[in-house]
Amino acid sequence: RKEVEQDPGPFNVPEGATVAFNCTYSNSASQSFFWYRQDCRKEPKLLMSVYSSGNEDGRFTAQLNRASQYISLLIRDSKLSDSATYLCVVILSGTYKYIFGTGTRLKVLA
Amino acid sequence: EAQVTQNPRYLITVTGKKLTVTCSQNMNHEYMSWYRQDPGLGLRQIYYSMNVEVTDKGDVPEGYKVSRKEKRNFPLILESPSPNQTSLYFCASSGEVRGEQYFGPGTRLTVT
Repeated sequence: RKEVEQDPGPFNVPEGATVAFNCTYSNSASQSFFWYRQDCRKEPKLLMSVYSSGNEDGRFTAQLNRASQYISLLIRDSKLSDSATYLCVVILSGTYKYIFGTGTRLKVLA
Repeated sequence: EAQVTQNPRYLITVTGKKLTVTCSQNMNHEYMSWYRQDPGLGLRQIYYSMNVEVTDKGDVPEGYKVSRKEKRNFPLILESPSPNQTSLYFCASSGEVRGEQYFGPGTRLTVT
């Protein structure tokens, strides 16, 4: 089983739609969680960190469910510019290794 | 401008010919890392460095070497490249170990 798993998609949604992605992690010792965005083979860029209490940044909301070992990303009012691959990242407690999921591809359609 | 630079951006080489991909950051970051990205496998960490002269293996270190003699530079060395090292490579740096990573633009390496 992969340490971090994501549905590869693509998720095709119309502009203005709300879309949610989940990312599951297998190691309960995972400590830090992030969502990164990657455009078409360009470098990944941090979208948001994921805190235990959940956090929101504009149209984006991230949540952590430790009991079920997953994190989620919710995008409201999708824009064409949101089309990208969203990468889930986990860091295990006591390590300095970043473990990336393979990404979920989102296409927002006009 | 705060950035991570990598050179070369594109490289085609032959099996066994030693090569170095350079990585430099101007943000005075302590943590630096190398990744490779392959279709269906995502980004996998090769090596990382907590600070000058402190490096450690990531998940896929075989066939690679790194050094961290200066804080700003973290070169990736392939002493004897093989075709299975054909990939897209990213260097990244972070001011905190578990903080935001800033990625370089990537190096597309083809080994024939």
